[in-house]
Amino acid sequence: TQLLEQSPQFLSIQEGENLTVYCNSSSVFSSLQWYRQEPGEGPVLLVTVVTGGEVKKLKRLTFQFGDARKDSSLHITAAQPGDTGLYLCAGATNTNAGKSTFGDGTTLTVKP
Amino acid sequence: EAEVAQSPRYKITEKSQAVAFWCDPISGHATLYWYRQILGQGPELLVQFQDESVVDDSQLPKDRFSAERLKGVDSTLKIQPAELGDSAMYLCASSPDRGSIYEQYFGPGTRLTVT
Repeated sequence: TQLLEQSPQFLSIQEGENLTVYCNSSSVFSSLQWYRQEPGEGPVLLVTVVTGGEVKKLKRLTFQFGDARKDSSLHITAAQPGDTGLYLCAGATNTNAGKSTFGDGTTLTVKP
Repeated sequence: EAEVAQSPRYKITEKSQAVAFWCDPISGHATLYWYRQILGQGPELLVQFQDESVVDDSQLPKDRFSAERLKGVDSTLKIQPAELGDSAMYLCASSPDRGSIYEQYFGPGTRLTVT
């Protein structure tokens, strides 16, 4: 069973601060996705990383895939209240025919 | 922009009653997933379809839950009878066939409350 551990579980910061959240596993993933979920809504796909060491940027968000493809991080620069939400990572392996395992997420609150 | 549709958005039912959720995936997406999400946790896979075939239903409580995707397009998830512990958000997602990249596109979910 693949287990994805996300940390921290909760994070509350002031607008303008920087932050990093983590997604770790003992499994090697063929791809890893990050999603953001707002209360009462479904998760929204932010990014997919595939190659070990890959870095992707989406405006103020920077995503990194570990060299061994077992872990990932999400860094947000100058956080804004609109960044508030639950950040989920999900990993899939080729042996699981498309089944993704989700972490329990990091709940981020950005206070104005 | 194409979206995954789900209905109803909210459902309140009494325990022992039957309840059904509907999902229409993004056109052309062969893979469809049903998840259950409890507050404060990540989504837990209930069932995965590839076209009309079940790929994985190992976590589906088959004594009370059933799922079908008869024509390989839209799908229905049913619970009968509902129990108090079934209260949760039920999410449907679909995924295009992109080899080893398993990006999922989620619907807005159905919030189920069992009283």
